[in-house]
Formats: sequence, C-alpha cells, structure tokens
Amino acid sequence: AQTVTQSQPEMSVQEAETVTLSCTYDTSESDYYLFWYKQPPSRQMILVIRQEAYKQQNATENRFSVNFQKAAKSFSLKISDSQLGDAAMYFCACTSSNTGKLIFGQGTTLQVKP
Amino acid sequence: DVKVTQSSRYLVKRTGEKVFLECVQDMDHENMFWYRQDPGLGLRLIYFSYDVKMKEKGDIPEGYSVSREKKERFSLILESASTNQTSMYLCASSSPTLLSNQPQHFGDGTRLSIL
Repeated sequence: AQTVTQSQPEMSVQEAETVTLSCTYDTSESDYYLFWYKQPPSRQMILVIRQEAYKQQNATENRFSVNFQKAAKSFSLKISDSQLGDAAMYFCACTSSNTGKLIFGQGTTLQVKP
Repeated sequence: DVKVTQSSRYLVKRTGEKVFLECVQDMDHENMFWYRQDPGLGLRLIYFSYDVKMKEKGDIPEGYSVSREKKERFSLILESASTNQTSMYLCASSSPTLLSNQPQHFGDGTRLSIL
C-alpha cells in the first residue's frame, strides 16, 4: 500500500523569503506520480506542481520547485519569494499508474508573515 | 477552466437521516472522486467512478454509497448519518484516462455536521 507522510503540521515564513515543505512517501510501484496541492482558506484545492517518477529532472513552476529524491522517497516543495497569497494548507500526494488512486499526506499549514 | 460544483457549502443533519451530497463537473471528465478531509488525516478516498454507472470503493467506504447516473454528476449518499461522519467532504474530477498523470480538479467542499 502507498503511504504519504508530511511531518510538519505547521510552518511559517517571512514574506519574500524561501520555505521548504517536506514530504516522504512509500510505494512498491515502479511507475507513479507525485503532486503538491494547495488549499487556501476558501478551501478549493488547486494543483501547484507535479512530478513523474521516471523523470530525474526536478519540476519547476515559477516560484515553486520540488526536490525529488527517488531513492530516499522524498518529495519536498520549495517556495521562493513567498507571498501573502501563498498562505494555505499544502498537501503532498502520490498516485500510481496501476490504480490511479491519489493518496494524500496529512497536510502542512503554511503561514506567511508580512 | 474546469468547474466542479458541490451543491452545499454547509449542511447540518441529524443522526439516522439519509444525506445526499451532490457534485457536478462541466468538463466531460470520466473520473470522479469523493473524499473526506479531517484534521491531521489529510484527504481519504471514499468512492470513485471511472464512468457512468461504474463505482469503486476507496479506502473508507463504510457507511457511504454513491450514484453516477450521468457523466457530469456524482452523488455521495450517507445511508444513515452518524456523528462520526461529521467532516469536510470534497468532490473531484479528472480526465480522461485513469492511468494518466492528469491532476484532479476539486470542488469547494461541503462542511457536513451530524447532530
């Protein structure tokens, strides 16, 4: 069975600085995908970034990037130049090509201080 | 943009009631999902559907059922509501291939309280 663990229930960052959210996962699948989702206080979950496990290159989307360490089964999210609008709960998730089901971590609440 | 609409943002029901949560998506997605979100537990999959009239159990299906009579609509049913089903419920959809890496698109959620 797949599991996803986010060990940081809460994080805070000063506006304009950089923060890294941690995520580890466990899977026996050889082919899988990893995602970071953001859930702002208004509660609609939106995709931040995704990574295919077969790709060695770390995904990047503007100020958001990941550090994908396949051997360590680690998938951290780095947010650069943090903005007030980045304040949200962030979920790490993993899906396998076999099942298509998405397994979520517990979530990390990010506070951005002005 | 994909729009996933859940019929209620807040809902209060009594124990033993039959509760319907409705979800509609406007992008002709084959796949639809129901999750519940609880503090410290993240999102847990209740049921999902790959196509009309098809359904698959997720990780926590007990006490729930679903209905998918039309492609755009996926309903979650609490047969006899209990207080431990008080939670936030999220609906999501994705296209078009089950085994793809396409992201899921979520609704705003329904905060359900069972008294």
